[in-house]
Amino acid sequence: DAGVIQSPRHEVTEMGQEVTLRCKPISGHNSLFWYRQTMMRGLELLIYFNNNVPIDDSGMPEDRFSAKMPNASFSTLKIQPSEPRDSAVYFCASSFDQGTIATDTQYFGPGTRLTVL
Amino acid sequence: GENVEQHPSTLSVQEGDSAVIKCTYSDSASNYFPWYKQELGKRPQLIIDIRSNVGEKKDQRIAVTLNKTAKHFSLHITETQPEDSAVYFCAASRGGADGLTFGKGTHLIIQP
Repeated sequence: DAGVIQSPRHEVTEMGQEVTLRCKPISGHNSLFWYRQTMMRGLELLIYFNNNVPIDDSGMPEDRFSAKMPNASFSTLKIQPSEPRDSAVYFCASSFDQGTIATDTQYFGPGTRLTVL
Repeated sequence: GENVEQHPSTLSVQEGDSAVIKCTYSDSASNYFPWYKQELGKRPQLIIDIRSNVGEKKDQRIAVTLNKTAKHFSLHITETQPEDSAVYFCAASRGGADGLTFGKGTHLIIQP
């Protein structure tokens, strides 16, 4: 079975450019999460979706960040314009939630290492 | 929101000894507590988790304990091996489709 797929794996861009990160969750999973990891701040939840609907975006740092989930098998995280402080590893994770019989376990993708020069 | 504190930040133990990592959380509504292991340059991988209706869970050399009254949970690794060297993260959530709040991580070093 394929796990969570993220692309690109590495992205180097210049300040001011638009960056789009992509994620394909595990087939059948209905919850999708975006996390960011830096040395200073550790692993932070940015936003998550349930059944393609954004549930909580309180972790999104600024209006420069936006995320979409147009269907059950695809999500994007966009940064426009990018800044050097956005440099981090961005992880996507997915899980299967049945409501009262939730499985909870989140499976992480390999991450996208973003460097903004 | 939830706040998760994790200690210690670095733990060095002799191979074969036990390692204990401790976490506290602030949100009394949290009921799901996973532990992830992350090797350098890799993704976090779930190693064990516990839900609030259970006080202890064990999987071979790894165990997790939960004290809901005190709002703390711990990871115990026995008979440590070189391959246990990694960064370990605790996390908490309200379960279901809720996002995870992570601790800052513990760098576990197994000395040969």
